[in-house]
Amino acid sequence: QLQLQESGPGLVKSSETLSLTCNVSGGSVSSSTNYWGWLRQSPGEGLEWIASVSYSGTTYYTMSLKSRVSISLDTSKNQFSLRLTSVTAADTAVYYCAHSSGYYADSFDPWGQGTLVTVSS
Amino acid sequence: YVLTQPPSVSVAPGQTATITCGGNNIGSKSVHWYQQKPGQAPVLVVYDDRDRPSGIPERFSGSNSGDTATLTISRVEAGDEADYYCHVWDSSSDHVFGTGTKVSVL
Repeated sequence: QLQLQESGPGLVKSSETLSLTCNVSGGSVSSSTNYWGWLRQSPGEGLEWIASVSYSGTTYYTMSLKSRVSISLDTSKNQFSLRLTSVTAADTAVYYCAHSSGYYADSFDPWGQGTLVTVSS
Repeated sequence: YVLTQPPSVSVAPGQTATITCGGNNIGSKSVHWYQQKPGQAPVLVVYDDRDRPSGIPERFSGSNSGDTATLTISRVEAGDEADYYCHVWDSSSDHVFGTGTKVSVL
């Protein structure tokens, strides 16, 4: 059974870089047809997709954050990571990592439990 | 690409809850639905318009046609009280989520 767990600092200062890692168990990040994504949910708001990476390392980014975000795969540790630079208060959110069986039309399942990241001034 | 959902739906236990997701020609896209309870991560309840992941009760069903996709919860239980989000992938907007619907069980 695939399980995902986010980790990273819960507090980041404004203008600095947010770094999160998602540890994957019950499956390999490099197995074909596996895609991995980051999504977020601002307090009291809806869901927003941030980025995805394929089992082979192909990356996809939402246009609104493309200049500040990067996603990467670490096959040796069976995990993938998110970096978001120059954060502001608007980046305060619960960040989720999730699995998908493809990029274009596939659902996200399962999701990690989520980690709250607060951007402070 | 914008997906519009009603902010809230109220339903009595044992009755049927219908949650709509409106989008331009959404019938041509694959729609997925997620259930999110307070303080928890979203859980997939319907994928590809009408399929259910293993472990999801048959009470959850989906349909998609024209400009509206629908998630139907039959024989509603207290445990179904949650926020529900629809999701599609669009060639211009990438992954898009609906505005969310809060289902309240009376």
